[in-house]
Amino acid sequence: SYVLTQPPSVSVAPGQTARIPCGGNNIGSKSVHWYQLRPGQAPLLVLYDDSDRPSGIPERLSGSNSGNTATLTISRVEAGDEADYYCQVWDASSDSPWVFGGGTKLTVL
Amino acid sequence: EVQLVESGGALVQPGGSLRLSCAASGFAFSTFAMDWVRQAPGKGLEYVSGITNNGVSTYYADSVKGRFSISRDNSKNTVYLQMGSLRAEDTATYYCARPSGGLQYFDYWGRGTLVTVSS
Repeated sequence: SYVLTQPPSVSVAPGQTARIPCGGNNIGSKSVHWYQLRPGQAPLLVLYDDSDRPSGIPERLSGSNSGNTATLTISRVEAGDEADYYCQVWDASSDSPWVFGGGTKLTVL
Repeated sequence: EVQLVESGGALVQPGGSLRLSCAASGFAFSTFAMDWVRQAPGKGLEYVSGITNNGVSTYYADSVKGRFSISRDNSKNTVYLQMGSLRAEDTATYYCARPSGGLQYFDYWGRGTLVTVSS
């Protein structure tokens, strides 16, 4: 099965840039999607197809994907960005095609 | 506005059964496949099950195959997850999610409903 690897945590000061990596074998050949999870709230799709933003998602959030790493970048980080972020791909060769990374807790210092 | 509202979560004993419901509104429910994704306490997201828009085809993760059954009632805009032979490792928040992008990602989710399997 395909495996996505994320660091457990990333910390950043307000106003700075946070980068959350998502590693996978040749992930650059796949489309990567990102979700934000806050306690008690519905998960929120924040990026799809590597770098596209759904309606309502601020331009401060961007994405890239190349080689073995996809990255979610949050510019000018705000306190409200503190949440867990999960990457996800669709991999037809996996037991379950909808593969999620382990999640990264973004802490705003 | 798209809304997905899960219900039915509860404390249940190992080996027991439970039925979760997800009521959808704000979109043409009968034209969309629907899925369930779960998150165990302190763990990551795990895909559980999915059903096509007409209910003809279903999909299950290996971890729940043979124990869970997904269904839908398009007249009630509701998708169900019948859970049986529950185990402690099924303890999780269960989210209803709407797939998009050729079913490859999930563009709307509910807030989830908590299932706790414990004696």
